[in-house]
Amino acid sequence: AQSVTQLGSHVSVSEGALVLLRCNYSSSVPPYLFWYVQYPNQGLQLLLKYTSAATLVKGINGFEAEFKKSETSFHLTKPSAHMSDAAEYFCAVTPSGSARQLTFGSGTQLTVLP
Amino acid sequence: GAVVSQHPSWVICKSGTSVKIECRSLDFQATTMFWYRQFPKQSLMLMATSNEGSKATYEQGVEKDKFLINHASLTLSTLTVTSAHPEDSSFYICSATRGFGYNEQFFGPGTRLTVL
Repeated sequence: AQSVTQLGSHVSVSEGALVLLRCNYSSSVPPYLFWYVQYPNQGLQLLLKYTSAATLVKGINGFEAEFKKSETSFHLTKPSAHMSDAAEYFCAVTPSGSARQLTFGSGTQLTVLP
Repeated sequence: GAVVSQHPSWVICKSGTSVKIECRSLDFQATTMFWYRQFPKQSLMLMATSNEGSKATYEQGVEKDKFLINHASLTLSTLTVTSAHPEDSSFYICSATRGFGYNEQFFGPGTRLTVL
């Protein structure tokens, strides 16, 4: 069984500031981890994924995340927020070796202030 | 590559009618498709998993007679909401994977269903 906890349902940052969205996971087997972004009334777009290769994963739009097994975390960061980053972000986990049973976190709404 | 489409993008129907939502993989063969439901301001909840040519596997609490899923080909899965009621109003999202073993899920743009 696996689960994901996203700390902070709403995060606000100023434009140009660091973005940090938190994700902790629980998994009985080695996990694959994902971050998705969702804009209003749209589907999900994959930002980045961890599939047991490098623990620091770089994704699109300047985002990156680091898999920390000891902390069971996969936090999403971006050095400098842009207005266009305002969206809902979901962390998700699945057992390694399978794309089945993606379990999503509750989501974090990112607001970027001018 | 790996584009998934959904049709329609939004639909409004009267209570008691049935609505069909299509999910297509446009440039790959999808061995497995997933259907999710998302309520406003909430996360995605997996409803069912379908493999081409076999019956869908429904998650606990999802009424299989109400949410009929057909995965008739490697590029098309359909979700039919039968006898829809206002509480079925939601955002429905499909995803698809290609091949077997680990494969990334590619998500469709979603379908907004409103039942009056």
